[in-house]
Amino acid sequence: DGGITQSPKYLFRKEGQNVTLSCEQNLNHDAMYWYRQDPGQGLRLIYYSQIVNDFQKGDIAEGYSVSREKKESFPLTVTSAQKNPTAFYLCASGTVPFAEAFFGQGTRLTVV
Amino acid sequence: DAKTTQPNSMESNEEEPVHLPCNHSTISGTDYIHWYRQLPSQGPEYVIHGLTSNVNNRMASLAIAEDRKSSTLILHRATLRDAAVYYCILDPFYNQGGKLIFGQGTELSVKP
Repeated sequence: DGGITQSPKYLFRKEGQNVTLSCEQNLNHDAMYWYRQDPGQGLRLIYYSQIVNDFQKGDIAEGYSVSREKKESFPLTVTSAQKNPTAFYLCASGTVPFAEAFFGQGTRLTVV
Repeated sequence: DAKTTQPNSMESNEEEPVHLPCNHSTISGTDYIHWYRQLPSQGPEYVIHGLTSNVNNRMASLAIAEDRKSSTLILHRATLRDAAVYYCILDPFYNQGGKLIFGQGTELSVKP
């Protein structure tokens, strides 16, 4: 089945540790995105990539880093510089030109 | 980025039509109007999108005002499974990469 997979579904980390969230898609999409969602809030764009080896900052990129070495993969690292990392993280992919975005099921990160 | 405005919440009765409004007074000529919905603890799901003409698909209809400054998502017969947060989003086609900016959305509740 084609789709977009995020893992793990739940993740716990201690404060001060970096953590990497996985996002893989087999839809052959050029564009991939990372969003953050806080309780009762909408989605906020962290980073997006339209092509391999290139990515752009979204509205809240501080404290996060990404890489796009393969078309299928767009991992997100939450660094210790991110002040409030506890949130629901959503990855998406889409075609270029854009038609619709396909979202993963999300990773709920809790930092204690 | 052009912004959208939606009511925070709406209520509907099961099996009745639902009209979800969205204002986008600063829309430009090349912005597509997209709708997504999100069930609790899940990633958003594509519903429909359009540019100028009204659009229909198996999930919903999209009615776009003649001046394009507003649009309405129509669910023809609401079911309990339609209870979700609905997001109206503008996507500038020239952007090619589909940088979707989500607002707060409308939380739709459906009463049996």
